[in-house]
Amino acid sequence: AQKVTQAQTEISVVEKEDVTLDCVYETRDTTYYLFWYKQPPSGELVFLIRRNSFDEQNEISGRYSWNFQKSTSSFNFTITASQVVDSAVYFCALSEFFGGYNKLIFGAGTRLAVHP
Amino acid sequence: DGGITQSPKYLFRKEGQNVTLSCEQNLNHDAMYWYRQDPGQGLRLIYYSQIVNDFQKGDIAEGYSVSREKKESFPLTVTSAQKNPTAFYLCASSKDRGTYEQYFGPGTRLTVT
Repeated sequence: AQKVTQAQTEISVVEKEDVTLDCVYETRDTTYYLFWYKQPPSGELVFLIRRNSFDEQNEISGRYSWNFQKSTSSFNFTITASQVVDSAVYFCALSEFFGGYNKLIFGAGTRLAVHP
Repeated sequence: DGGITQSPKYLFRKEGQNVTLSCEQNLNHDAMYWYRQDPGQGLRLIYYSQIVNDFQKGDIAEGYSVSREKKESFPLTVTSAQKNPTAFYLCASSKDRGTYEQYFGPGTRLTVT
């Protein structure tokens, strides 16, 4: 069955520290997509990135970077030089094509607290 | 500005009452979704709709109902049959059935006492 595991429930860091959020997935599909979303205290989920299963290149966007390793079924997210505004819950998600419809399977989320 | 609106932000109801949560989008997206979020459990899919007048049950549809009469609207009714309705409800949309990126509304926090 499709599954996403975010083993880190909560992470606490001091501002300017680097932090990595782990995501491990299980899928029976050969083609799939992986996502990261950010949920700030306001509650709305914000889309951060999509990665397809054929593209294992790492991606960098400003202070954010993502490391996709198919061999270990992992899609980890690193924030460099963390800031207080990065405090949020972060969700990793996996696509599933089921019965002609696209679905997303979400992990339980990792709560990141960045302290001044 | 294009986006998804959910109203109200906070909703309180007595046990045994049905309640309808609103979700409207002006992104011209075909697909819409309802999720439930409980502490420590991530998001779970309640219902989804790929086109008008069509919707499918998600993983936890029992006690919920939806309609999709207009492309921009996808209201969710939490019925009295839902055993634990208190939760945070999120609505999302995506461009079409072939697009995986989903964009979310601000959510409605429902408390039933």
